[in-house]
Amino acid sequence: DQQVKQNSPSLSVQEGRISILNCDYTNSMFDYFLWYKKYPAEGPTFLISISSIKDKNEDGRFTVFLNKSAKHLSLHIVPSQPGDSAVYFCAATGAGSYQLTFGKGTKLSVIP
Amino acid sequence: ETGVTQSPTHLIKTRGQQVTLRCSSQSGHNTVSWYQQALGQGPQFIFQYYREEENGRGNFPPRFSGLQFPNYSSELNVNALELDDSALYLCASSQVPSQETQYFGPGTRLLVL
Repeated sequence: DQQVKQNSPSLSVQEGRISILNCDYTNSMFDYFLWYKKYPAEGPTFLISISSIKDKNEDGRFTVFLNKSAKHLSLHIVPSQPGDSAVYFCAATGAGSYQLTFGKGTKLSVIP
Repeated sequence: ETGVTQSPTHLIKTRGQQVTLRCSSQSGHNTVSWYQQALGQGPQFIFQYYREEENGRGNFPPRFSGLQFPNYSSELNVNALELDDSALYLCASSQVPSQETQYFGPGTRLLVL
């Protein structure tokens, strides 16, 4: 039973264009969502988060959008850079639970 | 500020053996969580430690156990290793248990033969 789903295993984008990574969740108790970036041989690095009381959060080139009614969130990267090439994980937590529940990840390749 | 560190980086064990993995939390963080990441999967929560006590546990059998020390460092112990235990084991720390954002170490790659 996968509570956090990232349905696209991979995504290729041209340098300078927008990258959009999607994530769906099923547990309505989740109230905080995070995106992590992971390079090979490294641990996940925190990128950006959003609370369920918001529908958008921006940090430089990264913006996360949350649609609670659709139980869907997305990460936008504009403009995409070759250094953004990594695996991106969507994670969720909430309802007093201390654990992060992760999706399977999306591998982003930014082509120069 | 020192980040989360883990040791060893790689480990090879035989089925049935026992293994201990170690983690030092980020400076100022008193809560440590452990995750298992199998190939092609996202990290899965094993358990969390706060003030030297287990503070929450995921769907892992009792042969997965842990410790947290007064300096907030932590150990993950796995007994009776099985082939399916082969994975990347990640440690994450946070300032308090309720802090949503957790900061991860580089992980320990365990291979069980």
